[in-house]
Amino acid sequence: QQQVKQSPQSLIVQKGGISIINCAYENTAFDYFPWYQQFPGKGPALLIAIRPDVSEKKEGRFTISFNKSAKQFSLHIMDSQPGDSATYFCAATRSRDKIIFGKGTRLHILP
Amino acid sequence: DAGVTQSPTHLIKTRGQQVTLRCSPKSGHDTVSWYQQALGQGPQFIFQYYEEEERQRGNFPDRFSGHQFPNYSSELNVNALLLGDSALYLCASSGQVVSNEQFFGPGTRLTVL
Repeated sequence: QQQVKQSPQSLIVQKGGISIINCAYENTAFDYFPWYQQFPGKGPALLIAIRPDVSEKKEGRFTISFNKSAKQFSLHIMDSQPGDSATYFCAATRSRDKIIFGKGTRLHILP
Repeated sequence: DAGVTQSPTHLIKTRGQQVTLRCSPKSGHDTVSWYQQALGQGPQFIFQYYEEEERQRGNFPDRFSGHQFPNYSSELNVNALLLGDSALYLCASSGQVVSNEQFFGPGTRLTVL
């Protein structure tokens, strides 16, 4: 079954804190793991992505940690800001294949 | 460089009607995928078009059909609309250079009454 499980469903973090969202996958054929950020009324925007041969990728305040043996990966948002309040989706895919999305995490950053 | 564009933005239909949604991919992209996003859920894959042919299909009934034109733009058609078809319909495009990356448009919000 090609599933991606995401937790938590919702998350509230104080401004300046660290937001952490976790995901797990089943299909070892996946070779690309993107995170998407979606604001209300908008389409998902690619935030950051990682391939399974890398254990960590950092872009600005956003970091993906990847554990291939556990088939888990997570998104860390450092110094979380109110503008980061959005829904975040982890996902998994292969080259030119469909994207399998998690169910999403609604993140709210308190000012 | 325009990203992925979709039209219309919003659409209201009644049960049993038919609807056509349109998508123009990001410049340089040749593959278009369609997703359905119900409220509060993650996007679900409908189908993917490449070289004007349907290459993959998700678990959606035949009421959902599509088309890709020579300029890589695409249409999604839904026949015999049901209340459950109300959702945000997203188009995503990708290219051959970095084929994993799919860029999404703003979506079309379809409401079926």
